[in-house]
Amino acid sequence: SQTIHQWPATLVQPVGSPLSLECTVEGTSNPNLYWYRQAAGRGLQLLFYSVGIGQISSEVPQNLSASRPQDRQFILSSKKLLLSDSGFYLCAWSVTGGWTEAFFGQGTRLTVV
Amino acid sequence: AQSVAQPEDQVNVAEGNPLTVKCTYSVSGNPYLFWYVQYPNRGLQFLLKYITGDNLVKGSYGFEAEFNKSQTSFHLKKPSALVSDSALYFCAVSSDSGAGSYQLTFGKGTKLSVIP
Repeated sequence: SQTIHQWPATLVQPVGSPLSLECTVEGTSNPNLYWYRQAAGRGLQLLFYSVGIGQISSEVPQNLSASRPQDRQFILSSKKLLLSDSGFYLCAWSVTGGWTEAFFGQGTRLTVV
Repeated sequence: AQSVAQPEDQVNVAEGNPLTVKCTYSVSGNPYLFWYVQYPNRGLQFLLKYITGDNLVKGSYGFEAEFNKSQTSFHLKKPSALVSDSALYFCAVSSDSGAGSYQLTFGKGTKLSVIP
């Protein structure tokens, strides 16, 4: 069966520090991968998605970047964190095709202080 | 562009009563509709989906949803609410054409509180 791992679960970082959140998927090949941010326990904002290695699409301009160095690995990064980067970050995967549901990791609570 | 609306920020229902969480959508092409549930500080869990076929879809934990093409709605329902159903519920849509197709677009979420 397929599983998704996302770490760390919580993170407190000072303003201006770098960020690296990692997500890996097991049990499937060539998944679509997504990074979402959820602010204040509410709506989800799609940050990045990837349909293959090295293929990253950005949905909104921001202080973040994403990379997909391996088929089942998706990394969210920042060179210098801002206070506004605080939030709950969720990684998700799906098989190709709009008719399939996405499966989510457990999320990372990022607090920038 | 596709979009989802969840008109209620919060729904309160007494335990044992039926519950409905509303969702309407807008897409180009055929819609694919999903419901997810989120418990505090956790990821989203998939509940059910509509792709094609019967308009009434049954999912996990006794939930069901009814697809209504003319009203572009996909309301989530349960005949008898449990306190443990209290959580944040998200409706999502993707489609087979148009800008943003094959990507999930989420509503803003509805907080369901089941009162003992």
